[in-house]
Amino acid sequence: GNSVTQMEGPVTLSEEAFLTINCTYTATGYPSLFWYVQYPGEGLQLLLKATKADDKGSNKGFEATYRKETTSFHLEKGSVQVSDSAVYFCALRGGGYKLIFGSGTRLLVRP
Amino acid sequence: DVKVTQSSRYLVKRTGEKVFLECVQDMDHENMFWYRQDPGLGLRLIYFSYDVKMKEKGDIPEGYSVSREKKERFSLILESASTNQTSMYLCASSLLEGRNQPQHFGDGTRLSIL
Repeated sequence: GNSVTQMEGPVTLSEEAFLTINCTYTATGYPSLFWYVQYPGEGLQLLLKATKADDKGSNKGFEATYRKETTSFHLEKGSVQVSDSAVYFCALRGGGYKLIFGSGTRLLVRP
Repeated sequence: DVKVTQSSRYLVKRTGEKVFLECVQDMDHENMFWYRQDPGLGLRLIYFSYDVKMKEKGDIPEGYSVSREKKERFSLILESASTNQTSMYLCASSLLEGRNQPQHFGDGTRLSIL
C-alpha cells in the first residue's frame, strides 16, 4: 500500500540556517504530494504541493521537488526564522479519497 | 479561503459520556474527514464521508461513529468515551474529484476524557 516516511525529529537549527526535511514515499501510479505545517496549538495548514514528476512546489520561502526516480519530496528552505518552528508533515494522495501522512518532523529554530 | 470550523478548541468529558465533536466547512466540499493526532503516531484517519449520509471507515473507527445530515457539517461521536480516546481531533474537507486536491483542516479539538 501507499506510505510516507519522514526523517525523525526534532530538528534544531539556528536562525538563518539551511533547512532540509527528508520525505520519501511508496505509491502505485502517480500520486500528488503535499507538505503541511502545524504551528503550536493549531490545525494543519497546506504549505505546498506538487502533482507530477519534476514539479516544484513553493510557498513562504519553502520549496520541494517531486522526484519520481528517487520517490522523494524533500522540503527545503534557504534561511529559517524562529517563526518557522512547527511540525511539518509530508503527505500523498493517490487515486482515492485518503491522504497518507508521514509521522511529522518537529522543527525548532533558535534565535 | 476555505474555512473549516470545529466547534470547540478544548473539551473535557468523563468516562462513559457520549461526546459530540462538530465540524462545519463553508466551501461546498464533498469530502469530509475526521482524524486523531497522537504524539509519535502522526495523524490517523477515523472516518470519512464523500456525500451526505455516506460514510466510510478509516483506519481506526472502533469506538467512534459519524453523522453527516447536511453537506457542510460532519459530526464525530464517541458513543461511550474512554480515557484512551483522549487526543487531538482534527476535521478536514476537500473537493471530491482530483488527486491533486488538498485537504483543508480545522484548528482541532483537544479532548480530555477523565
